[in-house]
Amino acid sequence: QQQVKQSPQSLIVQKGGISIINCAYENTAFDYFPWYQQFPGKGPALLIAIRPDVSEKKEGRFTISFNKSAKQFSLHIMDSQPGDSATYFCAASRDDKIIFGKGTRLHILP
Amino acid sequence: DAGVIQSPRHEVTEMGQEVTLRCKPISGHDYLFWYRQTMMRGLELLIYFNNNVPIDDSGMPEDRFSAKMPNASFSTLKIQPSEPRDSAVYFCASSLEISGGASDTQYFGPGTRLTVL
Repeated sequence: QQQVKQSPQSLIVQKGGISIINCAYENTAFDYFPWYQQFPGKGPALLIAIRPDVSEKKEGRFTISFNKSAKQFSLHIMDSQPGDSATYFCAASRDDKIIFGKGTRLHILP
Repeated sequence: DAGVIQSPRHEVTEMGQEVTLRCKPISGHDYLFWYRQTMMRGLELLIYFNNNVPIDDSGMPEDRFSAKMPNASFSTLKIQPSEPRDSAVYFCASSLEISGGASDTQYFGPGTRLTVL
């Protein structure tokens, strides 16, 4: 009930391509779905977040797509750049609980 | 603002020794979180505080782990005695709210890399 399943574990994308990371959750009580970006040697930092009342949120090259009925959400990075190479975590939260996915290591080839 | 401050950044100790990790949250933040990150288990929430009071410590792995927040600007995570399987990166994070509002972003510190030999 409390798991957030994230895939893939690692992803290699050519510069300029689209990176797609998927997450699925089980608990329908979750009401906030953030994505965090982590560079080596640093702590995670909030990248973009969505609430279940919308199906999509876009900020620059980053888009979250949310499918409430399927209990899935995904991060799309358009025109991927080498600087996007990092580990990405999805999360789901409600009130006093936040659960993180296990992370996706993204590498953008120059 | 200096952000969340953690010390030490790296800690190497021998099995059985006591380890104390320190965190200074962002001023004005009501929530403080301690996380552990490993390759195998990802990012795990260990415990969090609201206004210096521990709210949920269900993620603390064993009694060897303890956390305190004596005031709004300081928290410690202690492992006694430490074991090799405790080797991980430990993050502290703080936020204004835990979720549900525009101020629910968690701000992470740079982490403490702990190695227990």
